[in-house]
Amino acid sequence: GQQLNQSPQSMFIQEGEDVSMNCTSSSIFNTWLWYKQDPGEGPVLLIALYKAGELTSNGRLTAQFGITRKDSFLNISASIPSDVGIYFCAGHNGQNFVFGPGTRLSVLP
Amino acid sequence: DVKVTQSSRYLVKRTGEKVFLECVQDMDHENMFWYRQDPGLGLRLIYFSYDVKMKEKGDIPEGYSVSREKKERFSLILESASTNQTSMYLCASSLWREKLFFGSGTQLSVL
Repeated sequence: GQQLNQSPQSMFIQEGEDVSMNCTSSSIFNTWLWYKQDPGEGPVLLIALYKAGELTSNGRLTAQFGITRKDSFLNISASIPSDVGIYFCAGHNGQNFVFGPGTRLSVLP
Repeated sequence: DVKVTQSSRYLVKRTGEKVFLECVQDMDHENMFWYRQDPGLGLRLIYFSYDVKMKEKGDIPEGYSVSREKKERFSLILESASTNQTSMYLCASSLWREKLFFGSGTQLSVL
């Protein structure tokens, strides 16, 4: 099935740094969702976006629904050790949910 | 808080056994989904349901069946478990294209 593109695949950052990751597609989506998943656990919903251009925050996390409706961005400010995990995006294209492969984030103390 | 509950966190079964994975949601969502997640392959849709007693095949339905007798409950059945069905199984629910909520997952090992 269709899959979204996510970049970077993985990243290592210092505690306190800001992080940016993105999710892209060749087709249009009506909804963008961002999740965090810890090892052995189910994904936890972080942010949901429903309109092109929408910018939404959840604590230190900010996500944007791209104007073209083909991409979305997630930023994490002032990273802390518990931010470690896999972040993945999901989109709804009017028929079903499609997922990205994830960005693995490591935070160095 | 919204909640999707999967009955087991870890399961170990033998080849050929019939396996039931149960999922319950408390959000009155119409839509429920079963995915499996494997390293390098991401999330793959097995089956989904948009209403009680209704089911639709996803991308990889072979070897699986589902049951939705009540709105809040969606069961995944492995009729005869095989080793290639060893995986993390994730149940999810949503209101159409809105927020999709996942359960904690069931790590199934088939020996």
